[in-house]
Amino acid sequence: AQKVTQAQTEISVVEKEDVTLDCVYETRDTTYYLFWYKQPPSGELVFLIRRNSFDEQNEISGRYSWNFQKSTSSFNFTITASQVVDSAVYFCALSGKKLVFGKGMKLTVNP
Amino acid sequence: DGGITQSPKYLFRKEGQNVTLSCEQNLNHDAMYWYRQDPGQGLRLIYYSQIVNDFQKGDIAEGYSVSREKKESFPLTVTSAQKNPTAFYLCASTASWASGGVETQYFGPGTRLLVL
Repeated sequence: AQKVTQAQTEISVVEKEDVTLDCVYETRDTTYYLFWYKQPPSGELVFLIRRNSFDEQNEISGRYSWNFQKSTSSFNFTITASQVVDSAVYFCALSGKKLVFGKGMKLTVNP
Repeated sequence: DGGITQSPKYLFRKEGQNVTLSCEQNLNHDAMYWYRQDPGQGLRLIYYSQIVNDFQKGDIAEGYSVSREKKESFPLTVTSAQKNPTAFYLCASTASWASGGVETQYFGPGTRLLVL
């Protein structure tokens, strides 16, 4: 069965610090997709990235970067030079028979 | 602007009452989903619909019902059989149905349901 573990439940940082959100997954599928979503205080889930299992290249988008390592079944997300607007709950998700979500990690960025 | 709208933002339910949460999308997406989110928890799938006039139970369908009479609309009814309905409800859609959740799901702003 598919499973996503976000071991950190809450992180608090000061603005401009870098922060890494961990995501470890379990699946027996050879082809699968991984996702990250952001849930700001307003509640809506905002799609950040989708990565398929055949593409292990790291990706960078502005201050966001993602490190996908199949060998350790991890898909970690780093925010560089964090800002107050990054404060949110972040979810990692894995495709399977359905989309499986981790429990989320609450990031608080303090000014 | 294309997107998903959910209404109301807050909904109050009295004991024994059925309530209906609205979800509308103008993205021309085929598939739609309902999730429940409890504090400190991930999202759990209630129902999904691959196409108009079709829907399937998710992991926690008991006490809920849905309909899909129009492509753009997927309302969720929380029935009196749902004994613990207080939660945040999110609606999502994907362009097409692809088994395994491989398509990117886009979410609405959510409805918070509270029991009086």
